Amino acid sequence: GAGVSQSPSNKVTEKGKDVELRCDPISGHTALYWYRQSLGQGLEFLIYFQGNSAPDKSGLPSDRFSAERTGGSVSTLTIQRTQQEDSAVYLCASSRQSVRAFFGQGTRLTVV
Amino acid sequence: QKEVEQNSGPLSVPEGAIASLNCTYSDRGSQSFFWYRQYSGKSPELIMFIYSNGDKEDGRFTAQLNKASQYVSLLIRDSQPSDSATYLCAVNDAGGTSYGKLTFGQGTILTVHP
Repeated sequence: GAGVSQSPSNKVTEKGKDVELRCDPISGHTALYWYRQSLGQGLEFLIYFQGNSAPDKSGLPSDRFSAERTGGSVSTLTIQRTQQEDSAVYLCASSRQSVRAFFGQGTRLTVV
Repeated sequence: QKEVEQNSGPLSVPEGAIASLNCTYSDRGSQSFFWYRQYSGKSPELIMFIYSNGDKEDGRFTAQLNKASQYVSLLIRDSQPSDSATYLCAVNDAGGTSYGKLTFGQGTILTVHP
């Protein structure tokens, strides 16, 4: 597609459930990033994938969070045993070798 | 802990005026600096980026870097109501291999009133 695609756009889940968020980057972009934006806050880095290199997971807030990227394209961010503090907009971005990252529209996660 | 600080605002300017947005960063080794615009309910959109070697002008936007004082500014000339948004300052993770790993400020809300 023309841009970074994320699904679902909105997700409401019960506390304790697992959720999966999907990101389809721009075709040809080797780098993929996940960020989180809580209400009224800036963007918080979560994880970064670059080609076949080991991902940079330094931003994941707990071991309940994990992400994978299959075939160097689509990525899935999984949150296990969701908590209310996980409620946020989860943004995915992709880029070529340059630093110019393009963001998707995000997934708004609400944990009730 | 690398930090990027911005005044959350809101910054209110009249239409046609110059809007000046600033942010400070803590990592002296930072090499790349970015300004993203985010409309309410939308994703961030890159509007300007500069490297440590100089300022940049693009249309009504000018990004300036003061390395000695470790702050970056964004000037918007002839401000329009459509410029009303949250402006996020971001700094590249200097020295790392993650070109896209950015540290963001909290954002400054800009309101341009007619």
